[in-house]
Amino acid sequence: QSVLTQPPSVSAAPGQKVTISCSGSSSNVGVNYVSWYQHVPGTAPKLLISENNKRPSGIPDRFSGSKSGTSATLDITGLQTGDEADYYCGTWDSSLSAGVFGGGTKLIVL
Amino acid sequence: QVQLVQSGPEVKEPGASVKVSCKTSGYTFTTYGLTWVRLAPGQGLEWMGWISPYNGDTYYARKLQGRVTVTTDTSTSTAYIELRSLRSDDTAVYYCARRGSREGFDYWGQGTVVTVSS
Repeated sequence: QSVLTQPPSVSAAPGQKVTISCSGSSSNVGVNYVSWYQHVPGTAPKLLISENNKRPSGIPDRFSGSKSGTSATLDITGLQTGDEADYYCGTWDSSLSAGVFGGGTKLIVL
Repeated sequence: QVQLVQSGPEVKEPGASVKVSCKTSGYTFTTYGLTWVRLAPGQGLEWMGWISPYNGDTYYARKLQGRVTVTTDTSTSTAYIELRSLRSDDTAVYYCARRGSREGFDYWGQGTVVTVSS
């Protein structure tokens, strides 16, 4: 059981928009920055969003993040087949004194 | 450019120990923390531990406490993770990543496959 809760999968057609949610608690998402990662099997995960809504250099503005209370959201617009991957949210849990991840969401581009 | 290069694949028997290295370059080693994350087959990312190369402070996942140790060698800009009393469910790809959970892991190693099997 992951500390952060994500939907197991989401799907949409090319060009459409998807939203991936990440639900936590007052000891993690509620008080710490959230990051989002893209993982294509066989490769290392890639940082998409840091500090709730900041895109590292090279990440397209099709990817955006937000946070409200104890939940965070990753939006992906203008879906491309190359966006098919597993997406994870992550943060620090101040009660556990440990990093935590969501269980991951598989994005299917129909 | 920033690089994190990990050691090669390992095959271990249950009960043994494994030590994986992560050699960094392209930045000042003591400026950023280093985190270890693993991905087991069919599972999600699992945070294992973090170390400050500056002062040696560490944090570990509670489920691994007592079995895991993260260290650094500042003379070679290398981080290590040692996992003891290996079990079959420790079979995973192990990754090192720069920075911590608060800031986000901006650079990753290529991953090291650790297989635990008799």
